[in-house]
Amino acid sequence: GEDVEQSLFLSVREGDSSVINCTYTDSSSTYLYWYKQEPGAGLQLLTYIFSNMDMKQDQRLTVLLNKKDKHLSLRIADTQTGDSAIYFCAENSGDYKLSFGAGTTVTVRA
Amino acid sequence: GAVVSQHPSRVICKSGTSVKIECRSLDFQATTMFWYRQFPKQSLMLMATSNEGSKATYEQGVEKDKFLINHASLTLSTLTVTSAHPEDSSFYICSARDSRLSTDTQYFGPGTRLTVL
Repeated sequence: GEDVEQSLFLSVREGDSSVINCTYTDSSSTYLYWYKQEPGAGLQLLTYIFSNMDMKQDQRLTVLLNKKDKHLSLRIADTQTGDSAIYFCAENSGDYKLSFGAGTTVTVRA
Repeated sequence: GAVVSQHPSRVICKSGTSVKIECRSLDFQATTMFWYRQFPKQSLMLMATSNEGSKATYEQGVEKDKFLINHASLTLSTLTVTSAHPEDSSFYICSARDSRLSTDTQYFGPGTRLTVL
């Protein structure tokens, strides 16, 4: 989506941390989301963060939100081969719709 | 957890035929469902919003007569691609909004790969 931007590729070594960055434009977004898509599959909701939060942690996943800069990041600790996928950030853009970024392809190398 | 299914997962059809894709929310009611189209290595493009008991709302540039949407119950929405052509070949994904939640969270189906010969 044109209102949400992500870097397209990330290569990370197994066991290292991955950080995926996203910028969005709609300051009125109430929630921001991270979805994971494996090849040939639909999207799996990983986590979401409410716009009045700065950080949310869920096991290996940490979401950071800088509302002033409209910047969202997803950190995956101890990245595993099963984390190889495309990661989409999304913002709610009114009428319950979501605007998606182009997706970041994460490749985990041994 | 919230589960959304799609059927079929893969379909191959001849040009000029119509194809129906079903999207079901299995363990929650969804007054709103969404249909997306995804081209290879690209993001999701929202096609339409499917509202239970009323007409679907189509995004700009999406032909409503070609992509018929019916949301007859709180757990089922269907997308019918009418008179399909090779350019309609794509990955179609539905999602359902869990209206029990205040987070506007959408849960996605596994997608349907449509190939038109």
